[in-house]
Amino acid sequence: KQEVTQIPAALSVPEGENLVLNCSFTDSAIYNLQWFRQDPGKGLTSLLLIQSSQREQTSGRLNASLDKSSGRSTLYIAASQPGDSATYLCAVLPGNTPLVFGKGTRLSVIA
Amino acid sequence: EPEVTQTPSHQVTQMGQEVILRCVPISNHLYFYWYRQILGQKVEFLVSFYNNEISEKSEIFDDQFSVERPDGSNFTLKIRSTKLEDSAMYFCASSETGRGGIGTQYFGPGTRLTVL
Repeated sequence: KQEVTQIPAALSVPEGENLVLNCSFTDSAIYNLQWFRQDPGKGLTSLLLIQSSQREQTSGRLNASLDKSSGRSTLYIAASQPGDSATYLCAVLPGNTPLVFGKGTRLSVIA
Repeated sequence: EPEVTQTPSHQVTQMGQEVILRCVPISNHLYFYWYRQILGQKVEFLVSFYNNEISEKSEIFDDQFSVERPDGSNFTLKIRSTKLEDSAMYFCASSETGRGGIGTQYFGPGTRLTVL
């Protein structure tokens, strides 16, 4: 059964710092991996999707990498801003079920 | 930019009552999903729907749950007899293609269901 783990569970950084959020999954047989942002009490905003054949995707200050063989993905946020404060969720699309989510990393960027 | 919409944003109901949660997926999408998130826990898959039928469902999606696409735009989740443990945020999602394709799933803002 696919399991997704995100470390750390919470992170607090000063504004302007570069940071890395980690995601690991137990079964490397995935179609894609998606990173989402969730603001408190709100829905999920898709940030980046990496297909299984890709190694990374970039959008603005965000860069997501995928190492399928080791079951890991990282989300790199450059020059963090207070507006980046949210919970970041990693989800994988395995071979036989829809998205399997991690529990998320709660990020606080302090001005 | 097209987005998934959900109504109501918050639903309060008494245990044993029926509720219907509504979603309007992105118009050219073909695959529709319901997920739920109990407070403080992971987002969990409930059911996927394609071509007017359920394509996959999880163990959570028992006989108390049903989904329907009553017209060309709405996608609904019905819970027949709500239990306290059904209290959660329910998310609708849609994607243009299914597994193996581009497959980006776009999520709605959610309906918070509170069962008293």
